[in-house]
Amino acid sequence: SALTQPPSASGSPGQSVTISCTGASSDVGGHDYVSWYQQHPGKAPKLMIYEVNKRPPGVPDRFSGSKSGNTASLTVSGLQAEDEADYYCSSYAGGNHFKVFGGGTKLTVL
Amino acid sequence: QVQLVESGGGLVQPGRSLRLSCAASGYSFRSHGMYWVRQAPGKGLEWVAFIRYDGSDQFYADSVKGRFTVSRDNSENTLFLQMNSLRVEDTAVYYCARDGYNFGCDWWGQGTLVTVSS
Repeated sequence: SALTQPPSASGSPGQSVTISCTGASSDVGGHDYVSWYQQHPGKAPKLMIYEVNKRPPGVPDRFSGSKSGNTASLTVSGLQAEDEADYYCSSYAGGNHFKVFGGGTKLTVL
Repeated sequence: QVQLVESGGGLVQPGRSLRLSCAASGYSFRSHGMYWVRQAPGKGLEWVAFIRYDGSDQFYADSVKGRFTVSRDNSENTLFLQMNSLRVEDTAVYYCARDGYNFGCDWWGQGTLVTVSS
């Protein structure tokens, strides 16, 4: 089953916003292989966080990830206009399900 | 510079077949697992298939199992997705992506649109 994300989130420039991603013990809760992706309209997704809380090269440290139990979270600090995008979480789910995505959260910078 | 370029999308009738390709360059293709991920118009991301770096294992989403086949040619640095018995609900942009960080997709192609319609 897909991971559960809030459909929308918002914040003003400079503020922080946190997006949640709820799964189950078979995916988010059972593995430290949660990743987060940013997608701007008409563009391919971009990896922002992998293995729960690690940033690939070039991703600003304003983006951070965490996990507690079956829920992972992405926090964007010091919001900037360019952070306005859709954000998707994903987790390794093991076995035949292998990889699962959340439904996506549209982040609006007010 | 890593580059992934998909091709093969287009308009196809329900029940017909289509083969997508993803040409990789700028890195050691044979060293990385590869994904297919799709996105229906106005919808979210959906994992479709994964193939290990050496092609030894493949995994599929339940929605495509038995109809889609992922394969790769490491000598040609190319990933494939054979799609049979296509359905209207398979309409989507199909992305190939590299497994760079333990189930994290660190590089993505630009996507190719598949439209299934009569």
